[in-house]
Amino acid sequence: AQSVTQLDSQVPVFEEAPVELRCNYSSSVSVYLFWYVQYPNQGLQLLLKYLSGSTLVESINGFEAEFNKSQTSFHLRKPSVHISDTAEYFCAVSPFYNTDKLIFGTGTRLQVFP
Amino acid sequence: NAGVTQTPKFQVLKTGQSMTLQCAQDMNHEYMSWYRQDPGMGLRLIHYSVGAGITDQGEVPNGYNVSRSTTEDFPLRLLSAAPSQTSVYFCASTPGQNTDTQYFGPGTRLTVL
Repeated sequence: AQSVTQLDSQVPVFEEAPVELRCNYSSSVSVYLFWYVQYPNQGLQLLLKYLSGSTLVESINGFEAEFNKSQTSFHLRKPSVHISDTAEYFCAVSPFYNTDKLIFGTGTRLQVFP
Repeated sequence: NAGVTQTPKFQVLKTGQSMTLQCAQDMNHEYMSWYRQDPGMGLRLIHYSVGAGITDQGEVPNGYNVSRSTTEDFPLRLLSAAPSQTSVYFCASTPGQNTDTQYFGPGTRLTVL
C-alpha cells in the first residue's frame, strides 16, 4: 500500500518570495508521483508528474519538483511566487502498475500575500 | 470537448433522503472514479470503474452505490444520506489503465442536515 504525507497544512508567503511545499511518501513498490493544484471553487488540475527519467520535473508556470528516492520525497518548489499561485496543492502517489488509484495527501494551502 | 461534467454543483439533503450525483465525460475514457474531499483529509477514493459494466470499491465505499452502464456516465448514489456524507465530491476519469493523468470534474458540494 502507498501513503502520502504533507506536513504543512498551510504555507503563508509574500509575493516574489521562494516557496517549498513538502511531500513524503511510503510504498513497497515503485511509484509515480504527482502534484495537483486546486484553485478556489474549482476541481483539481495536474501541475506536474514524475514517471521515470530525470528526477527534476517542471511545470509550465514555474513550479518544479524533485524526486528523491532515498528520502522518499517529492517536494514542490517555486523560486518566486505570484498572488495567482494562491491555491491548495495536493501531492499524490500511485503504484507504477496502476495509476488509476491515486492516493492523495491531505493538501497544503499556499497563501500568497502582496 | 466538455471534459468531465458534474451535476448538481450544490445540494442540500435531509438525513435519510436519497439522491444521485451525476458525472459524465465525453473523452471516451475507460476509467472513472469518485472521490470525496474533506478538510484536513485530502481526497479519498469512494468507488471506481475500469470500464462499462465493471465497478469496484475504493477506500471509503460505505453508504454509496455506483453503476457504469455506459462509458460516458458514472453516477454516484446515496441511498440514505447521513450528516457524515457532507463533503465535496469529485468525479475523475483517465483514458485507460496505467495512464498517468486523471481529469477532474468541478465538484459537487453536498450538505446533509
